[in-house]
Amino acid sequence: GQNIDQPTEMTATEGAIVQINCTYQTSGFNGLFWYQQHAGEAPTFLSYNVLDGLEEKGRFSSFLSRSKGYSYLLLKELQMKDSASYLCAVAGAGSYQLTFGKGTKLSVIP
Amino acid sequence: DTAVSQTPKYLVTQMGNDKSIKCEQNLGHDTMYWYKQDSKKFLKIMFSYNNKELIINETVPNRFSPKSPDKAHLNLHINSLELGDSAVYFCASSQLAARGSSGANVLTFGAGSRLTVL
Repeated sequence: GQNIDQPTEMTATEGAIVQINCTYQTSGFNGLFWYQQHAGEAPTFLSYNVLDGLEEKGRFSSFLSRSKGYSYLLLKELQMKDSASYLCAVAGAGSYQLTFGKGTKLSVIP
Repeated sequence: DTAVSQTPKYLVTQMGNDKSIKCEQNLGHDTMYWYKQDSKKFLKIMFSYNNKELIINETVPNRFSPKSPDKAHLNLHINSLELGDSAVYFCASSQLAARGSSGANVLTFGAGSRLTVL
């Protein structure tokens, strides 16, 4: 089975940097995804890691350590519009089996 | 031009009724999904179809029946609705990488259908 753990809520200040952690235990691994979901909207894809290391995409970066079953999403230069839930998801043995964590609700304050 | 569209966006109904939610994607993807997001925002997969063939069927009551008339459509029919069925139902689609090849299975989600059972 799959077990994905991430903090329920976080608060950070506009302009700052925040790191959202995700730990996972899965049977088979085919990549880790981060999605962003604003309140009342659909989740949208942010990043994908399948190999160890850091993937950078503008203000957002995602890191993966497969041996530790650990990932983080790093958001730099926080903006108010970054207030959203961030969902960690893992693709299991079959590439279509995407299991989501419960999400981290990030609140950005002035 | 919406990539994944689902209707209705809101649905309020009484316990015991039967209702359907429709989903269509114009991305040319082979695979479509239904996810349920409960009040605690936990997004859980229900079903997945690849080229009209059922490939994932999680532990879901058999009151829920998906139907895929073609690879661009995946509808969800729910019989005898219960209070616990109240949730937001998201349709999604993706283009699966062939087995053994690399590539991210990125899901594109619809806007969601909020079902409220009274």
